[in-house]
Amino acid sequence: DVKVTQSSRYLVKRTGEKVFLECVQDMDHENMFWYRQDPGLGLRLIYFSYDVKMKEKGDIPEGYSVSREKKERFSLILESASTNQTSMYLCASSFAGIVADTQYFGPGTRLTVL
Amino acid sequence: AQSVTQLDSQVPVFEEAPVELRCNYSSSVSVYLFWYVQYPNQGLQLLLKYLSGSTLVKGINGFEAEFNKSQTSFHLRKPSVHISDTAEYFCAVSDRNNAGNMLTFGGGTRLMVKP
Repeated sequence: DVKVTQSSRYLVKRTGEKVFLECVQDMDHENMFWYRQDPGLGLRLIYFSYDVKMKEKGDIPEGYSVSREKKERFSLILESASTNQTSMYLCASSFAGIVADTQYFGPGTRLTVL
Repeated sequence: AQSVTQLDSQVPVFEEAPVELRCNYSSSVSVYLFWYVQYPNQGLQLLLKYLSGSTLVKGINGFEAEFNKSQTSFHLRKPSVHISDTAEYFCAVSDRNNAGNMLTFGGGTRLMVKP
């Protein structure tokens, strides 16, 4: 079974702190994604990576950056956390070589910024 | 750009009753269509997807969905729900031009199955 793990289930940070969210997948997937999930808004794509060191902005990249130094690991970075970044963050991965491949999701990190 | 509208934010239904969760999309290009489910305190998992061919798609756990191009809809149905179907359901689309890699999700529908 595909496994996507995220470093924390719950995280509490203070305004202005630098925050790292880590995601690891064990299926050798080329594609990795970071979404944020908010009630009524569904999931919105923050960043997408299709290979090591390659990335594309999603719909809401402002205030976030990403890092992909190894194929299995994709990090989301909040350079200076703000209260409007309080949300659930979901990581996902998929194969690049399969058209419209299933995305496999991690359990999510619920981030609270005080 | 695409957008997805899930017309009902919550759907309460009694156990063993049929259910339909509605999804409409807007896109200037051809799309692939998906339904994902999120059980409490878990990530999302794929229920079913439409890529091409028959417009009626069968998925896991007895769910099915029908693609209607003229109505730009992809409604999800189950003839008889169980308590265990209580979850949030998300409709999503992706652009055929980018190999279906990037998904646009709807706002979600919370299905509440009552005994």
